[in-house]
Amino acid sequence: DAKTTQPTSMDCAEGRAANLPCNHSTISGNEYVYWYRQIHSQGPQYIIHGLKNNETNEMASLIITEDRKSSTLILPHATLRDTAVYYCIVRGYYNQGGKLIFGQGTELSVKP
Amino acid sequence: DSGVTQTPKHLITATGQRVTLRCSPRSGDLSVYWYQQSLDQGLQFLIQYYNGEERAKGNILERFSAQQFPDLHSELNLSSLELGDSALYFCASSVATRGGPDTQYFGPGTRLTVL
Repeated sequence: DAKTTQPTSMDCAEGRAANLPCNHSTISGNEYVYWYRQIHSQGPQYIIHGLKNNETNEMASLIITEDRKSSTLILPHATLRDTAVYYCIVRGYYNQGGKLIFGQGTELSVKP
Repeated sequence: DSGVTQTPKHLITATGQRVTLRCSPRSGDLSVYWYQQSLDQGLQFLIQYYNGEERAKGNILERFSAQQFPDLHSELNLSSLELGDSALYFCASSVATRGGPDTQYFGPGTRLTVL
């Protein structure tokens, strides 16, 4: 699985969009980009994933560049409850599942 | 709520003891994963079971073992506990069948404190 690079921390004002970048320059053609977050010491929460097209769900949007070497997770209207560590993970498609490799992630602080 | 349950939520025990952590996957999920999160190591993959069979091993110590039962729940056994085993232990589950990307859903975790 390709390695990812994320900023250590970011701040965002409540109500504004939070844009979290992730670099994955060694991603290969069959690898997906996954985003999880962990609020305080709770279990990691799945947010979204994508292969090459932009994706949107009720939680967030995922923008993947055309060369797939980087992506951005967008929380359109951040709230205080979005304060968490956000993990960008690149992984291939496995038969019968496969482990997730977590990096250090980005600590997002949403401020009033 | 992810649908993955873990018990107990908290566990306090002494060095040298043995404990068992339990995980019930989401309905329909065949694969169970165990992860450890300590302050200095971050989230680390321990082991995966798929439909009762061990599928992959990560940084799991020999003092630790796991199994997945016919009803698909899983237990993680930690023995000869040391202070350094104090951590959060998370279980995740996924459908893990062929045909597409596999999303893991995590339980709330068990916080283990070894005194």
